[in-house]
Amino acid sequence: DQQVKQNSPSLSVQEGRISILNCDYTNSMFDYFLWYKKYPAEGPTFLISISSIKDKNEDGRFTVFLNKSAKHLSLHIVPSQPGDSAVYFCAAIGNSGSARQLTFGSGTQLTVLP
Amino acid sequence: ETGVTQSPTHLIKTRGQQVTLRCSSQSGHNTVSWYQQALGQGPQFIFQYYREEENGRGNFPPRFSGLQFPNYSSELNVNALELDDSALYLCASSIGGVRETQYFGPGTRLLVL
Repeated sequence: DQQVKQNSPSLSVQEGRISILNCDYTNSMFDYFLWYKKYPAEGPTFLISISSIKDKNEDGRFTVFLNKSAKHLSLHIVPSQPGDSAVYFCAAIGNSGSARQLTFGSGTQLTVLP
Repeated sequence: ETGVTQSPTHLIKTRGQQVTLRCSSQSGHNTVSWYQQALGQGPQFIFQYYREEENGRGNFPPRFSGLQFPNYSSELNVNALELDDSALYLCASSIGGVRETQYFGPGTRLLVL
């Protein structure tokens, strides 16, 4: 049972345009959400996060939106740059006993075309 | 401030063998989590250690075990390796408590033949 879903395995966007990556979750106990970027042969790099008490968080070119009623979050990248090409993972924090574990989606490969 | 480091970077083992993977946490972080990432999937939670005690575990069998040391470095041990254990193993460190963000190392790529 996938609790965090990224339904688009890939996305291509022209340089300078907006990239929108989507993520859906099923567990209403998740209370913190994160986006990670991953290049080949590297570990995931933290990008941006949002608490469930907010509906938007912005950091430079990256904005995350959270719609709790729809159990949906999205990452907007504006403007997109070729260096943004990577796999993007959505993750949510929930409890496993007393641990605050990350539950990841399966990732979306973003390609930004020059 | 150094980031999360892992060793070795790559490893090849045969079925039935045992393996130990190592992780050094980011300075000041007292919590370490281990994840397994199979090809084409997102990382899956194995377990978490906080101040040398395991405080949570995902859906992995007991042959996956770990340790956290007083300096907050950590080991992941896997016994009786199976072909399906071939994956990228990631460790992530965090401060724990209110600050939730976990910071990942580059991973160890394990191949079981």
